Parts: sequence; C-alpha cells; structure tokens
Amino acid sequence: DTGVSQNPRHKITKRGQNVTFRCDPISEHNRLYWYRQTLGQGPEFLTYFQNEAQLEKSRLLSDRFSAERPKGSFSTLEIQRTEQGDSAMYLCASVPSLATYEQYFGPGTRLTVT
Amino acid sequence: GQQLNQSPQSMFIQEGEDVSMNCTSSSIFNTWLWYKQEPGEGPVLLIALYKAGELTSNGRLTAQFGITRKDSFLNISASIPSDVGIYFCAGQFDYGGSQGNLIFGKGTKLSVKP
Repeated sequence: DTGVSQNPRHKITKRGQNVTFRCDPISEHNRLYWYRQTLGQGPEFLTYFQNEAQLEKSRLLSDRFSAERPKGSFSTLEIQRTEQGDSAMYLCASVPSLATYEQYFGPGTRLTVT
Repeated sequence: GQQLNQSPQSMFIQEGEDVSMNCTSSSIFNTWLWYKQEPGEGPVLLIALYKAGELTSNGRLTAQFGITRKDSFLNISASIPSDVGIYFCAGQFDYGGSQGNLIFGKGTKLSVKP
C-alpha cells in the first residue's frame, strides 16, 4: 500500500494524559498537513510542513498541541494534558509537489478522551 | 474568516437517480476540490478544479469551478448504492506566497432511500 498511513487508528486515553500520533506520507511527498475533524464537520486545518520546515502553526488549537517532522518524512502530532474536547478524528494529508494542491488523506486516528 | 456553505446537508437517493450538490464561499478560491468520506476513513479525493469555469469529469462524477471563483458544484449521474457517503467540497487559497491550507464545507450526506 503506497497511500498515507496513520498510527494508531484508534486511541482511547484518560483526561490529562499525553498522546502522540504518527503520519507516514506518500513517499517523496514534500508537503504534509494535519487536520482535526469533529462529528458532523469537515476537516479543520491545524498545521503543515514543507519537508522538515513547519510553515504554518498558528492554527494549532492551543499550546498543548505540537507537531514535528524531523527528517522531512514521517510526522508526529502530540497533544499534552488531553481534555475531553480533544476527542476527534485527526487526519494527515500529503501533497506531492509545489505544482499541485491535491491533498491525499490518510485513514485518520480516532481519539477518545475519557 | 473564509467559510464554505455546502448544500444540501443531506439527501436520499434512489439507484439510477442523478444527484447535485453545491458549495458557495464568501471569498474567492484558487482551487476547488471534492472529496468523499466513508465512516471511519479519511476523505478520498474525487476531482480537483483549478480554473474558473472549468468543468471536469471523473467517471459518473462531474464538477465545475464557478465563474465568480466563489462556488462549485458536483453532479453524480446514475447513482449506485456505493455512492453513499459524505461528500465534502474544499477550497484553497494562496496567501503571502505560502501554500494555503484547505477550507472544508460541512459535507453533504448521501443515503439510500429506504
């Protein structure tokens, strides 16, 4: 399978715990995006990377959210001190080059905070 | 901020019927994308539109980029049961020289008539 992969697919955590999600983009895609999707809504942009550079992070929901892409390949999204309102689907998308805006999404990580 | 209004919110289809849905924006977009999402999965790209007035087909799906650059529509001809799902429009706008994120509508849920 050469699509975008995300792990884990599901995560249940207790309020106050930290969680980390991983995204592996399509090989050689240099742009990577993170979105959050709540029930009944479309995905909401959080942050994006071009190679290893994080070019937009002002949309991260709070300072509890952080993302990295250390070697310009896979990326991680961390949420510290989780709250019940963080329960959502977290989606990752990658884009092959600067010449296109077509974003290819992974299957998402469903987070449930109890 | 930029908002997308997608309509209808939901619709029921009978096999063989044609389906139409549309998306309008308060702002101009450079790119319109249409995605389909099934339960528990990430959005799957259906069609990408890059020029005002552009009409593009993908099998039984046809989408158009509105002349004003503030709207787009998606048609599905001769619907089949596997067309059920949630269809999202997404707009993209470049700003400040960076590659902009996608703004999503709230989706149109397609269900099969009982």
